[in-house]
Amino acid sequence: QKEVEQNSGPLSVPEGAIASLNCTYSDRGSQSFFWYRQYSGKSPELIMFIYSNGDKEDGRFTAQLNKASQYVSLLIRDSQPSDSATYLCAVNTGFQKLVFGTGTRLLVSP
Amino acid sequence: EAGVAQSPRYKIIEKRQSVAFWCNPISGHATLYWYQQILGQGPKLLIQFQNNGVVDDSQLPKDRFSAERLKGVDSTLKIQPAKLEDSAVYLCASSLVVGAYSRGTDTQYFGPGTRLTVL
Repeated sequence: QKEVEQNSGPLSVPEGAIASLNCTYSDRGSQSFFWYRQYSGKSPELIMFIYSNGDKEDGRFTAQLNKASQYVSLLIRDSQPSDSATYLCAVNTGFQKLVFGTGTRLLVSP
Repeated sequence: EAGVAQSPRYKIIEKRQSVAFWCNPISGHATLYWYQQILGQGPKLLIQFQNNGVVDDSQLPKDRFSAERLKGVDSTLKIQPAKLEDSAVYLCASSLVVGAYSRGTDTQYFGPGTRLTVL
């Protein structure tokens, strides 16, 4: 069973702080990794994807991938109340089949 | 560019009734997915099509669920008969191509979903 693990949270951070969301995966052969944001009652929306070891930055978001440790993370800088949502980690385990974690709920307080 | 379209947005049925959901993917996207998302969980893949062929339906409860993608564009997911545990959001997603993941063409884009309540 290929698994993706996330802490369900909630992760509470004050406005302006850095939020750090973590994800581990079991399939060492996984090649691509995605972070989706899901607001309550809405569908997942893509934040960013990463394929290579290291960091990838997009605005206030940075994804970090360490394939040796089977670990992927998402950093959100200058967190805003509008960032409050559930963040889903998804792993492409082959042939575009995504396995999702259960998500981490982020709460950003003003 | 129009996104993934789904209908209906909400559906309430009695157990043992049947229900069908419709999805229209992003234009030009060859791969289409149906997911089930139960409250508090991540989406779970039910079935994956590439064009009009099934790539993966290993987690589809085939005794009650069926899906088709005629002509390789629109898709329909059906449940017959429904059970209480089928209450969930059914999400449709699409992506451009299989493989070539390094160029981001395996990115999946989701529709708004259909919230199903089985009473």
